[in-house]
Amino acid sequence: GAGVSQSPSNKVTEKGKDVELRCDPISGHTALYWYRQSLGQGLEFLIYFQGNSAPDKSGLPSDRFSAERTGGSVSTLTIQRTQQEDSAVYLCASSWGQEINEQFFGPGTRLTVL
Amino acid sequence: GNSVTQMEGPVTLSEEAFLTINCTYTATGYPSLFWYVQYPGEGLQLLLKATKADDKGSNKGFEATYRKETTSFHLEKGSVQVSDSAVYFCALVVPNTGNQFYFGTGTSLTVIP
Repeated sequence: GAGVSQSPSNKVTEKGKDVELRCDPISGHTALYWYRQSLGQGLEFLIYFQGNSAPDKSGLPSDRFSAERTGGSVSTLTIQRTQQEDSAVYLCASSWGQEINEQFFGPGTRLTVL
Repeated sequence: GNSVTQMEGPVTLSEEAFLTINCTYTATGYPSLFWYVQYPGEGLQLLLKATKADDKGSNKGFEATYRKETTSFHLEKGSVQVSDSAVYFCALVVPNTGNQFYFGTGTSLTVIP
């Protein structure tokens, strides 16, 4: 596709359930990022992939959060045993290579935990 | 550590008014600086960037100058339009640190006719 896509666009779940969020980066982009945007907050960095490896997992807020990337393309962010404080918009971005480059953002997944 | 501080919003201006959104940063090393914009219902997109001191980034009538002496990257536009209504995010990335971006909290701008 022409841009970064994310699915689902909206997800409502009950507290305690697991959720999976998907990101399809721009074809050829080797770097992929996950951010969380909470109401009234800035973008909180979660994790970064270069290819399939994640050199920086420091932003994951707890061990309930995990992410993987396969084939250097699609990435999934998994939140286990969701809590109400996990409610936020989860943004994915991708960019070329390891040099500092513009990040292209997807439209986000709005997660609501009831 | 690395961080970005930008002015609190929301900001409301009349059309054709002058806009300044302040952004200051702290960084270990020599960061590249960015402004991203998020229009209503859309994803973030790059507005402009500057990669070294005294560089000026510009796009769509917006400008920002990388000021190392004041660690600032203030966003300015001489005459705003209704279509500029959006949330603006200042961000930095320090080379050779994994390309992690540090974003400010965003400043909401509303331009009224």
